[in-house]
Amino acid sequence: DGGITQSPKYLFRKEGQNVTLSCEQNLNHDAMYWYRQDPGQGLRLIYYSQIVNDFQKGDIAEGYSVSREKKESFPLTVTSAQKNPTAFYLCASSKVVPGMNTEAFFGQGTRLTVV
Amino acid sequence: KNQVEQSPQSLIILEGKNCTLQCNYTVSPFSNLRWYKQDTGRGPVSLTIMTFSENTKSNGRYTATLDADTKQSSLHITASQLSDSASYICVVSVTDSWGKLQFGAGTQVVVTP
Repeated sequence: DGGITQSPKYLFRKEGQNVTLSCEQNLNHDAMYWYRQDPGQGLRLIYYSQIVNDFQKGDIAEGYSVSREKKESFPLTVTSAQKNPTAFYLCASSKVVPGMNTEAFFGQGTRLTVV
Repeated sequence: KNQVEQSPQSLIILEGKNCTLQCNYTVSPFSNLRWYKQDTGRGPVSLTIMTFSENTKSNGRYTATLDADTKQSSLHITASQLSDSASYICVVSVTDSWGKLQFGAGTQVVVTP
């Protein structure tokens, strides 16, 4: 089945550790995104990528890093510099059509907890 | 300041009843507006999408309306079911070269038997 897959579903991190969240899509979408969701707030954009080997910072990129070596994959690393990493992380992908805003498809999310 | 405001923050309704959720936005220039449904612990799933020229869009028991002049949208749920319990998120797209999304905080709907 075509879709976007995030793993793991739950992740626990000790303070001072880096962790990497996986996001894979087989929808042949060019654009991929990472969002953070906190209770009572809208999704906030961390990083986005429109093509392979290129990505841009979103609104809350500090303490996070990404790579886009393959079209299908857009992993997110939460570094020790992120002061409040406990949150629900959502990955999404969409087609890129000039002049149009196409639908974003979301993964099932990864809940990260700092212990 | 969030450019997409949703109300109410949460609501509880009895199974079988109708309800209406509101979304006001200040995003400009506007491209389109989507309503997503997000079950607890899951990713959002699209319900409807409307451009500025559309006033109403239905998807089963979900009907979305859009007034581009007043920058308001609503999502009406008819004959609610227990499975409608979820967060409903309004998402507005900015008209630019590739489309940045502005998310509302969502309305948490709880349907009780």
